[in-house]
This record gives sequence, C-alpha cells and structure tokens, in this order.
Amino acid sequence: VMTQYPATLSVSPGERATLSCRASQSVGSDLAWYQQKPGQAPRLLIHGASVRATGIPARFSGSGSGTEFTLTISSLQSEDLAVYHCQQYNKWPPMTFGQGTKVEIK
Amino acid sequence: QTTLKESGPTLVKPTQTLTLTCTLSGFSLSTNGAGVGWIRQPPGKALEWLAFIYWDEDKRYNPSLKNRLTITMDTSKTQVVLTMTDMDPVDTATYFCTRMGAWANYYVESWGQGILVTVSS
Repeated sequence: VMTQYPATLSVSPGERATLSCRASQSVGSDLAWYQQKPGQAPRLLIHGASVRATGIPARFSGSGSGTEFTLTISSLQSEDLAVYHCQQYNKWPPMTFGQGTKVEIK
Repeated sequence: QTTLKESGPTLVKPTQTLTLTCTLSGFSLSTNGAGVGWIRQPPGKALEWLAFIYWDEDKRYNPSLKNRLTITMDTSKTQVVLTMTDMDPVDTATYFCTRMGAWANYYVESWGQGILVTVSS
C-alpha cells in the first residue's frame, strides 16, 4: 500500500513544496512520481526514486529509499498546479499507486 | 516521437465486454525490451494498473481483475488490445494506454491521452 501525504498542499509561488509518499513495505528505490495537470494524462517526473525523466525541470527532485520518499519542488511555479502521484514497482502487484497529493497555488 | 492513442467505445452497458485498442507510433513491440500497459482512473479517484504486455509476450494482470482481463498485441506489434468482460458501472473511468519502462522496469515512460468509458444502461 502506498500512502501519500498531505492530501492537499497549498504553496505560494516561489516557495518550496515537499510531498511525501510512504510504502507499507520496503520497495528499495523502485519508486516513480507523476504529475497530472487538470484534464490531462499524467506525466513521468521521476523514476528510480531520484532520476529525473527527460525534459523535466531541475526544480523537481526526488529522494528517499525503502519506505519513505519525497518529491520536492524547489521553487513552485503557477504551472505546477497539479495532482502528484507516486507509484512503486518493486513488489507484487508490480504497479501500485498512492492516492495523490493535490498542489494548489496559494 | 512516441505516441499512444486509445480507441474504442465510450459507452457500454452493464454485463457487456469492453474492447479497447491502443495504436503505437514512434515505437513498436518488435523493439527488444519494449512494453505497453493499461491503467485506469475513475473520475476523481486514484490510478489503477490493469495489465501490461512486453515485447516477448510476457503478460501480467492486476490480480483483483485478472479473471476479467485479456491483453494481446497484433501481428504487426503496433497495436495492443485490452478486453474487459462483465462491465459494471464501477468500471466507469478514463482508460490510459501507456508505454512501460524498458526491460521490465514497471513504471510508465509515456501516456496516451486516455479515453473516458462510461458504463450505464
């Protein structure tokens, strides 16, 4: 089971946003983060817990291993308004997602 | 440029079988290591993995839905078909076709735009 918190995060432009994802058992570094803007399909941000996908801005960073993971947006931009999903791919079933964290612009 | 496009009915009746097709562009399942999957998202809810198939025809299914799902690829390896039997209103969701991470890295590299399927009589 993947648990994301908080459910909603309100951050002012230019401030740091910290999103958390917890796994019920260790998943090593097999953790991905996705961004889903309103009305759009998700987009891969991070895989391997900390590897930015192609074309992803450097303000997005991932960290953690085992059961605790963090996605950090170093300086929030207005276009970062979205729901962020974490997903483990270490344990069976091989793709389980968290419930998502909604990032709002304060 | 890799693209995936879903097609199929947007309205099905309860108990019917849903058949969705994903058409691949910019890659195919003849590429060693390539994989394609399906994920759905009910309105306002979380993402749920359904199934995936890899270039070597390795297929995996979500165990909670396994008895209802079948995933196949066509002979050209540029289309992937998902069938889901015995549809119910709780299966109303946007269904996404996805390009999986290569070599059985089970994350999603890229997503189709999705197709909203409504189950209603």
